[in-house]
Amino acid sequence: DSGVTQTPKHLITATGQRVTLRCSPRSGDLSVYWYQQSLDQGLQFLIQYYNGEERAKGNILERFSAQQFPDLHSELNLSSLELGDSALYFCASSVEGSGDNEQFFGPGTRLTVL
Amino acid sequence: TQLLEQSPQFLSIQEGENLTVYCNSSSVFSSLQWYRQEPGEGPVLLVTVVTGGEVKKLKRLTFQFGDARKDSSLHITAAQPGDTGLYLCGGTNAGKSTFGDGTTLTVKP
Repeated sequence: DSGVTQTPKHLITATGQRVTLRCSPRSGDLSVYWYQQSLDQGLQFLIQYYNGEERAKGNILERFSAQQFPDLHSELNLSSLELGDSALYFCASSVEGSGDNEQFFGPGTRLTVL
Repeated sequence: TQLLEQSPQFLSIQEGENLTVYCNSSSVFSSLQWYRQEPGEGPVLLVTVVTGGEVKKLKRLTFQFGDARKDSSLHITAAQPGDTGLYLCGGTNAGKSTFGDGTTLTVKP
């Protein structure tokens, strides 16, 4: 158990819909990362927040957005969903926002878009 | 173009054999992490290498960071079926987190 929690574990929805994935970091960690993992693209970095502020942005689509709240939990919002958005979405956390980024991953949310 | 290239992509060996997987880049990293991931679960951190030329050992796993901090290797001695999984290397470049595509290791009993 990494100490990072993600909900829900599974999510099935239809194209065009909007969903919200939730992540709670390890106690004491200030940084949260979001990743998308699909079979054909590996682990793709989406976005990082540090202490409530956006720190780095990766290959995140405009239909996706995220935020980190004052209690440090984070939410990833996916809208206008397409079949290709079906994937595992992981959240990770680390103590700091840069440097030796030892990241601790949550169990993931499996999103299926039908 | 992937910033971190891992090889081989797939590796299937018999229990008791030794193996090495590689993580290469043309960029310098301040540190690299190795993770192991099982199907449907999140990656689990194995080790961080920071200093060029550094060697770290974790039981039967030996991790090395290249002198120029552009590459790393993971060597497993006497592999066991429990070592089966996806091995990922990751690091931070230009402030952005990046991972290789991983090596899928299967150890047959």
